[in-house]
Amino acid sequence: DAGVIQSPRHEVTEMGQEVTLRCKPISGHNSLFWYRQTMMRGLELLIYFNNNVPIDDSGMPEDRFSAKMPNASFSTLKIQPSEPRDSAVYFCASSQGQGLGLNYGYTFGSGTRLTVV
Amino acid sequence: AQKVTQAQTEISVVEKEDVTLDCVYETRDTTYYLFWYKQPPSGELVFLIRRNSFDEQNEISGRYSWNFQKSTSSFNFTITASQVVDSAVYFCALSEEDSSYKLIFGSGTRLLVRP
Repeated sequence: DAGVIQSPRHEVTEMGQEVTLRCKPISGHNSLFWYRQTMMRGLELLIYFNNNVPIDDSGMPEDRFSAKMPNASFSTLKIQPSEPRDSAVYFCASSQGQGLGLNYGYTFGSGTRLTVV
Repeated sequence: AQKVTQAQTEISVVEKEDVTLDCVYETRDTTYYLFWYKQPPSGELVFLIRRNSFDEQNEISGRYSWNFQKSTSSFNFTITASQVVDSAVYFCALSEEDSSYKLIFGSGTRLLVRP
C-alpha cells in the first residue's frame, strides 16, 4: 500500500501563475478530501469528493480555486491565478465509506508546500 | 465558536518525563468522533486514534494513552516516558454526525522533547 500520493512536494510560483496540485488516493478508497494548512487558519477542509462527485465544496476560498476528480485514482486542485495569500501546505486525504463510516480516520498524503511569490 | 480547543500552544519536556496534551471540544451532537493526529517535522499527518462518543473507555497503546471524559468535553492525550522522537505537533479533531466526513481540527500543540 503506497498510501496517498501527492505531487509535487514543493511548488514555488509567481503571483498570477496557474498552479496544479495532484493527488492519487489509496486504491479502493471512495472518499477524497483536500485540506489546507496555514499558520493563521490551521487545518481546514476545502472540498470533499465521494465516488468522484464533489459533495461539499463550501471550504473552497473563492473562484480562483477549483478541484476535479476525473476518476477514482486521481484528483487535482487548481489555483488560477495564484496569489501570495495562497501560500500554504495543501493536504490530500482519502478514506473508505461515507457518513459515519468515514470516521476511522482518513489517511493523509505528505502534503504539497506551495509558495507564491 | 471554536469547536476544538487545544489551549497549550507549546510544551517542552525533558526526555523520560510524562506529558499530557489537553483537548476540549464543543458539539451539540450526541454522536460524534474524536481523533488525535501527529505531525512530525517531516510534515505528514499521522493518524493516532479515533474514539466515538459512546465509548468513554480510556485507551492505552504502548506509551500513549487517551482519557475521554464527556462530562468535561475533554479528550486528553498522555505520553508516558517521552522520547525525542515524540517531538511533533499534535492535533485533536472532531467529526460531528451531521457532517461526519469533515474533521474539525484544533490549533495543535507543539511538543518538544529535549534529550
